[in-house]
Amino acid sequence: AQKVTQAQTEISVVEKEDVTLDCVYETRDTTYYLFWYKQPPSGELVFLIRRNSFDEQNEISGRYSWNFQKSTSSFNFTITASQVVDSAVYFCALGDTGRRALTFGSGTRLQVQP
Amino acid sequence: DVKVTQSSRYLVKRTGEKVFLECVQDMDHENMFWYRQDPGLGLRLIYFSYDVKMKEKGDIPEGYSVSREKKERFSLILESASTNQTSMYLCASSPHRRSAYTDTQYFGPGTRLTVL
Repeated sequence: AQKVTQAQTEISVVEKEDVTLDCVYETRDTTYYLFWYKQPPSGELVFLIRRNSFDEQNEISGRYSWNFQKSTSSFNFTITASQVVDSAVYFCALGDTGRRALTFGSGTRLQVQP
Repeated sequence: DVKVTQSSRYLVKRTGEKVFLECVQDMDHENMFWYRQDPGLGLRLIYFSYDVKMKEKGDIPEGYSVSREKKERFSLILESASTNQTSMYLCASSPHRRSAYTDTQYFGPGTRLTVL
């Protein structure tokens, strides 16, 4: 069965600190997709990234970077030089052939203090 | 840009009432989803639909039903609302039926439902 674990319930940092959000997944498939979404206080989930299981290259987009490691079944998300606007709940999700929908983790609430 | 809209941002209903939550997407997506979000539990899938009049149960379908009469519209129905259905409800859509597990899902703003 599919499972996504985000062990960090809440993280609080001070502006300009780097922060890493952890995501560990379980799947029996060899082909699968991983996603990160951001949910700001307004409530709407915003798509950040999608990676497939065959592409283990790390990705960087501005202050955001993602580290995908199949050996540890992890897809961690790092924000460099955090800003107050990064305060949100972040969700990791898994898509595999087990069902026609994504499986979401429980989310990590990030609070960036000025 | 994909636009997913939900009929209400906030809703207050009484126990036993029949409640309709409406979701509309404007990108001709085949798949539509209803999730429930509760603190510490993340997003849990209630129902999804991959075509008009087609539906599949998700992880927590009990107490809910859905309707998809038109491709762009997906309704969630609480037949007899109960206090334990107080929650945030999120609607999402994704493009293709055959790649529902690989496609990015696009979300609406959510409806915060309170059942008294």
